[in-house]
Amino acid sequence: AQSVAQPEDQVNVAEGNPLTVKCTYSVSGNPYLFWYVQYPNRGLQFLLKYITGDNLVKGSYGFEAEFNKSQTSFHLKKPSALVSDSALYFCAVRGPGNTPLVFGKGTRLSVIA
Amino acid sequence: DAGVIQSPRHEVTEMGQEVTLRCKPISGHDYLFWYRQTMMRGLELLIYFNNNVPIDDSGMPEDRFSAKMPNASFSTLKIQPSEPRDSAVYFCASSGGRVPQETQYFGPGTRLLVL
Repeated sequence: AQSVAQPEDQVNVAEGNPLTVKCTYSVSGNPYLFWYVQYPNRGLQFLLKYITGDNLVKGSYGFEAEFNKSQTSFHLKKPSALVSDSALYFCAVRGPGNTPLVFGKGTRLSVIA
Repeated sequence: DAGVIQSPRHEVTEMGQEVTLRCKPISGHDYLFWYRQTMMRGLELLIYFNNNVPIDDSGMPEDRFSAKMPNASFSTLKIQPSEPRDSAVYFCASSGGRVPQETQYFGPGTRLLVL
């Protein structure tokens, strides 16, 4: 069975500093990895996904994520955080086949001015 | 495209009442998912459909919960009778294609409060 772990419930970062939100996964076969963001009182919004190819994936709002097969990780990164990036971030994985995404429990990012 | 549409956006009801949540997926998408989000349990998959057919309802918490998809553009999630512990945000999501790399797109959610 596939699973996702987001080891940090909360990440705090100062505005302008780089940010990292961690995610590790477990899946049989090739993984399909996704990041979503949820702003207060909103639905989940798709940020980026890794399917195959380049290990560095670029997504919306200046976010990127690095796929590391040996460490089974897919950490979300941004070079310079904005206060408006403060939100709840979810990592998700899907294995081969047509099974639904499996989501992590989420990491709350707080960017402080 | 209008995206996934959910209604109502907010629902307040009393314990024992029937609650019906509605979802219109993105046109052309053949997968539809219902999720529930609470502080305690996070994001839980309740049920999902493929081509209007329920594929996996193992996440439905109790027989009080039921979901239908009578056609490709409409789905309902019904709770009867509702209980205070059902209070949560319910999300509908849809995706297209028959390949696992397809992105799921979420609706804005229905915030349910059962008194």
